[in-house]
Amino acid sequence: NAGVTQTPKFRVLKTGQSMTLLCAQDMNHEYMYWYRQDPGMGLRLIHYSVGEGTTAKGEVPDGYNVSRLKKQNFLLGLESAAPSQTSVYFCASSYELEAKNIQYFGAGTRLSVL
Amino acid sequence: GQNIDQPTEMTATEGAIVQINCTYQTSGFNGLFWYQQHAGEAPTFLSYNVLDGLEEKGRFSSFLSRSKGYSYLLLKELQMKDSASYLCAVRDRLPRNNAGNMLTFGGGTRLMVKP
Repeated sequence: NAGVTQTPKFRVLKTGQSMTLLCAQDMNHEYMYWYRQDPGMGLRLIHYSVGEGTTAKGEVPDGYNVSRLKKQNFLLGLESAAPSQTSVYFCASSYELEAKNIQYFGAGTRLSVL
Repeated sequence: GQNIDQPTEMTATEGAIVQINCTYQTSGFNGLFWYQQHAGEAPTFLSYNVLDGLEEKGRFSSFLSRSKGYSYLLLKELQMKDSASYLCAVRDRLPRNNAGNMLTFGGGTRLMVKP
């Protein structure tokens, strides 16, 4: 079982460049999430999706865009990268009909913006 | 909004017992999660509490007191492989904007187990 797969695993960008992070899940989950993790600050929600074709802003959405064209994929875009976006990005998914609604995480993407 | 506090670092000895505390303030409460995260890896689910009391799962137990806004994770018979960060996360009672499962995470507690 692959679970939640994130690509790429590492990336270095120059300020102003753009890129897209891909998240794919094979568990048929409705809900998907993008977080960033910075030292001492825990995981913070960037954007999330409650189903195919729907997205919404989380706690720290500025500078990011997302799309959920297919149920299994959730893309996170950086249109013009800034050094403040240097972070580790985690994607997660969860199953809405489960009472606990546990979130399952991908292995992360380590992004450096120079 | 929500505010979640947990110690930044803890150190314990192999074979011992360690308790990691988490306090929270929230406008609504619909469950508390503990996740384990080894360095450079993804967080993985450990435990879930929605009612007061203790939930036991092998060497790990989690306790919740909703009236005190308090939880702890108890790790028994510590092993070297338990060296990791432990993340406390609280779920809102009411979904925001049809958000489903919205979690707010604390900063994590880095546990170092020494021989």
